[in-house]
Amino acid sequence: SAVISQKPSRDICQRGTSLTIQCQVDSQVTMMFWYRQQPGQSLTLIATANQGSEATYESGFVIDKFPISRPNLTFSTLTVSNMSPEDSSIYLCSVEGQNTGELFFGEGSRLTVL
Amino acid sequence: GDSVTQMEGPVTLSEEAFLTINCTYTATGYPSLFWYVQYPGEGLQLLLKATKADDKGSNKGFEATYRKETTSFHLEKGSVQVSDSAVYFCALNLEYGNKLVFGAGTILRVKS
Repeated sequence: SAVISQKPSRDICQRGTSLTIQCQVDSQVTMMFWYRQQPGQSLTLIATANQGSEATYESGFVIDKFPISRPNLTFSTLTVSNMSPEDSSIYLCSVEGQNTGELFFGEGSRLTVL
Repeated sequence: GDSVTQMEGPVTLSEEAFLTINCTYTATGYPSLFWYVQYPGEGLQLLLKATKADDKGSNKGFEATYRKETTSFHLEKGSVQVSDSAVYFCALNLEYGNKLVFGAGTILRVKS
């Protein structure tokens, strides 16, 4: 298993501002995944972050809106840029278990945009 | 494309009732199947998994059997408790390192 810490756990943000979410893992992992969970909905993958290369974004998500950093094998950040109320969601960081195909999740960062 | 369909909630049960949450999937290959649980105010936790046909995953009294013939992975528990109240997500993964595809989630409410 992996222990994943996210910061902030929650925040209230003003429209038009940007917020960076941090994700720290207690072990080295090749890939880290960022998901969004909109209110009352399931999880949607935003992007996959590999160390040393650009993140791979899913359809409907772009780097300008959700820039991602992956400076080393235990850390990643996701920035939500130029926020609007529609960005109010829980953002979750996850990593894959060793050769298991399962994902371990952080507790999530709950963002509310006013 | 690959997808997961779960029964709609919320599901409301009395304590000690039998639980079934239906999950069916569509996939071009042979996926691994998962149930994740999200307790109020917490992140997602893996509840159980199965990696091949006829496998049964089990944990905390919950069970699910990988049925290839019906493309299903229904979650069951013989006697639910109030503490089982949570959102349950069915998910599939076609290959290691690939993304998980989640169902919409089913809210379970257990009343004492």
